[in-house]
Amino acid sequence: DTAVSQTPKYLVTQMGNDKSIKCEQNLGHDTMYWYKQDSKKFLKIMFSYNNKELIINETVPNRFSPKSPDKAHLNLHINSLELGDSAVYFCASSRSSSGNEQFFGPGTRLTVL
Amino acid sequence: AQSVAQPEDQVNVAEGNPLTVKCTYSVSGNPYLFWYVQYPNRGLQFLLKYITGDNLVKGSYGFEAEFNKSQTSFHLKKPSALVSDSALYFCAVRALYNQGGKLIFGQGTELSVKP
Repeated sequence: DTAVSQTPKYLVTQMGNDKSIKCEQNLGHDTMYWYKQDSKKFLKIMFSYNNKELIINETVPNRFSPKSPDKAHLNLHINSLELGDSAVYFCASSRSSSGNEQFFGPGTRLTVL
Repeated sequence: AQSVAQPEDQVNVAEGNPLTVKCTYSVSGNPYLFWYVQYPNRGLQFLLKYITGDNLVKGSYGFEAEFNKSQTSFHLKKPSALVSDSALYFCAVRALYNQGGKLIFGQGTELSVKP
């Protein structure tokens, strides 16, 4: 059983396009996250949702818009893609936002040409 | 401001030898500390955490970590390394309670275990 799943696994697209990455967790967790891992493997949080409500919004360009239709899903939509958006994007979830360990998805490798 | 430092980009160990991956942190108040492992082209896997209680925490795959408040460290250890332990290891600290579970990660340490 896949706990946290993401689609697609790979995404190659042109500059200026709009794309979405989907994330689903079947763990019954209340909190979900998006992280960005750059080419040097550095991980940084982008967004966090708790019960469909946005609770963390780091200084991410507003071209990035998360959407949580229900607490099992957190999708990431990116408008007007730029070269610097190329990275691996990880979705994660935790039981709550109060210190529980986070479970990560397999990642989506985004390449912007 | 909260931060995590992993002073070694790479650690090389011979199979069967003990291994240590270092982590120091800076956080206001009591820290929640975590170790994660990332195998190539995979997501992060949770290894262990320290919230409160015993300073020595045991986790998955025979790993353990020791919380040292005076040295603000949380080093990851294993008594006998395996080649299959070769991976990228991340230490993380949870930010203050009102920051929604945000994890601040160290820069990662590449562990290489040779036969």
